[in-house]
Amino acid sequence: AQSVTQLDSHVSVSEGTPVLLRCNYSSSYSPSLFWYVQHPNKGLQLLLKYTSAATLVKGINGFEAEFKKSETSFHLTKPSAHMSDAAEYFCVVSGMNRDDKIIFGKGTRLHILP
Amino acid sequence: DSGVTQTPKHLITATGQRVTLRCSPRSGDLSVYWYQQSLDQGLQFLIQYYNGEERAKGNILERFSAQQFPDLHSELNLSSLELGDSALYFCASAGYTGKLFFGSGTQLSVL
Repeated sequence: AQSVTQLDSHVSVSEGTPVLLRCNYSSSYSPSLFWYVQHPNKGLQLLLKYTSAATLVKGINGFEAEFKKSETSFHLTKPSAHMSDAAEYFCVVSGMNRDDKIIFGKGTRLHILP
Repeated sequence: DSGVTQTPKHLITATGQRVTLRCSPRSGDLSVYWYQQSLDQGLQFLIQYYNGEERAKGNILERFSAQQFPDLHSELNLSSLELGDSALYFCASAGYTGKLFFGSGTQLSVL
């Protein structure tokens, strides 16, 4: 069985400071892991994806995530937050097959303080 | 533009009514997923179809049903609507790589 836990429902950081959004997963086999972002009144957009290649994955808008199997984590980071990063972020786990079920975390709302 | 089209964008209806939400996946994608996003539950997986067949079921109520047609578009039918069904309903499609592409959602308001 698979599951995903986003450890924080809300995160607030000041503009220009680092961002860390935490995600832990559980999977009985090698998972695919994703981070999606949802801006207000918009659909979900893929930030980055891990599929058993490099453990450090670089995504769009300066975000990256590191897959740590020993810690079953896939935390999302960004060195310097921008006001436009304020949004809801979802960590997602899936199997390796195209028809596998996809599990979403409950989301983390990122607030950027001026 | 993700290539996934959902209609309508907004839907306002009354309790007890029935509505149909429509999703057209990206060209070539065989998998369609339906999700419900509400303030208290977060994003909840409802159901998945793969090439016309139901593949996985999540927290979908018995009042809800879905299908995927031969042209791969999908419909989500919600009946006997309750106030608590008010939510944003997302459709996503996936191709061989498993990468999900989301529509912009249908905002359902049940009054």
